[in-house]
Amino acid sequence: KAGVTQTPRYLIKTRGQQVTLSCSPISGHRSVSWYQQTPGQGLQFLFEYFSETQRNKGNFPGRFSGRQFSNSRSEMNVSTLELGDSALYLCASSSETSGGTDTQYFGPGTRLTVL
Amino acid sequence: AQSVTQLGSHVSVSEGALVLLRCNYSSSVPPYLFWYVQYPNQGLQLLLKYTSAATLVKGINGFEAEFKKSETSFHLTKPSAHMSDAAEYFCAVSDLVGGSQGNLIFGKGTKLSVKP
Repeated sequence: KAGVTQTPRYLIKTRGQQVTLSCSPISGHRSVSWYQQTPGQGLQFLFEYFSETQRNKGNFPGRFSGRQFSNSRSEMNVSTLELGDSALYLCASSSETSGGTDTQYFGPGTRLTVL
Repeated sequence: AQSVTQLGSHVSVSEGALVLLRCNYSSSVPPYLFWYVQYPNQGLQLLLKYTSAATLVKGINGFEAEFKKSETSFHLTKPSAHMSDAAEYFCAVSDLVGGSQGNLIFGKGTKLSVKP
């Protein structure tokens, strides 16, 4: 079974631009979560989508948004990029249908650099 | 609120020595606990998971962890370190009561170095 895939793997943008990252979950998984990893803040939860609906949201500004498609693929978008948005963005999928007990499987991440 | 504390941001051991990475959690409900490993420029790989079935959990690559409720700990161990174990290790608890239920709350991570 193929793992979680994320595209692109590396991205360089300038301040003020917007960016879209893509995540394809493991086949059959309906939950997709996004995390931001930075040296200063560590791993922080962004949001989770399940069956095309945002089910949970972390404490990030509205510039961070996402969506999920009917095939469970997910995208996250960051508008008006700031230098502090430079991070590794990790996507995780699980077959979870309710409340946080199933294992999350992570993709390799997208390394975003904002100049 | 649930939280995870990993004691020691860096741990160095000699090849063949015992690996012990410490994790303490705070949770008002029975927790679901995880250990993940991250190699440079890669995503997170699950090592093992505790879901209350057994207090001693065996994972991949010879790692295991013991859940101790009285100590609110979930330390990760491996009897004999290998050079390939050098990586960053993250302890996480599943958020079962917070505003983002179902998602992971991570510790700050512990970088493990293995000396030849």
